[in-house]
Amino acid sequence: AQRVTQPEKLLSVFKGAPVELKCNYSYSGSPELFWYVQYSRQRLQLLLRHISRESIKGFTADLNKGETSFHLKKPFAQEEDSAMYYCALRGGGFKTIFGAGTRLFVKA
Amino acid sequence: SAVISQKPSRDICQRGTSLTIQCQVDSQVTMMFWYRQQPGQSLTLIATANQGSEATYESGFVIDKFPISRPNLTFSTLTVSNMSPEDSSIYLCSVEGGTGGGGTEAFFGQGTRLTVV
Repeated sequence: AQRVTQPEKLLSVFKGAPVELKCNYSYSGSPELFWYVQYSRQRLQLLLRHISRESIKGFTADLNKGETSFHLKKPFAQEEDSAMYYCALRGGGFKTIFGAGTRLFVKA
Repeated sequence: SAVISQKPSRDICQRGTSLTIQCQVDSQVTMMFWYRQQPGQSLTLIATANQGSEATYESGFVIDKFPISRPNLTFSTLTVSNMSPEDSSIYLCSVEGGTGGGGTEAFFGQGTRLTVV
């Protein structure tokens, strides 16, 4: 079965502090993993995907197959990073399933 | 990329009635996906809609409650039938798009916020 787990519902950090949003997955094959973000009053949009190994808005995420994790990291959080973040897995049947989401709140 | 328009953006409906949500995409896509996002919850896949065939429903969702149409490669509708307050949610339409360099990405409509009273 496909499953995505985000253990933290809310993460609150100060501006300039490092951020790590945790994501673990369960999938028997080779998954595609993504982080999606939803800013206030905006639609859900892609932040980054593991296949491209890129850094977007200072965020990075490394796929660790041994630990089945895909944690999202940023060394210095900014206030504009405050949003809802969803880890997602695209596996069998071309379906994308989502974790429960983590709300990041960056305090001034 | 894909641009998705959903209508209506929000509605307040009486219990026992039905609401049809429309999803229009600016390009032809094979599969369209309908999700539900209940208050404070994550996105849950309702069904996958393919053009020319019946939609494939996820566990816990049935066609009688959520009938779906897919008349062509750019359009789909989701109907929420015989509504109850438990159906109050945001309903999202989604499609997949290819990305440069490989891989896929999901694109989303702005959502339909449904309140059942």
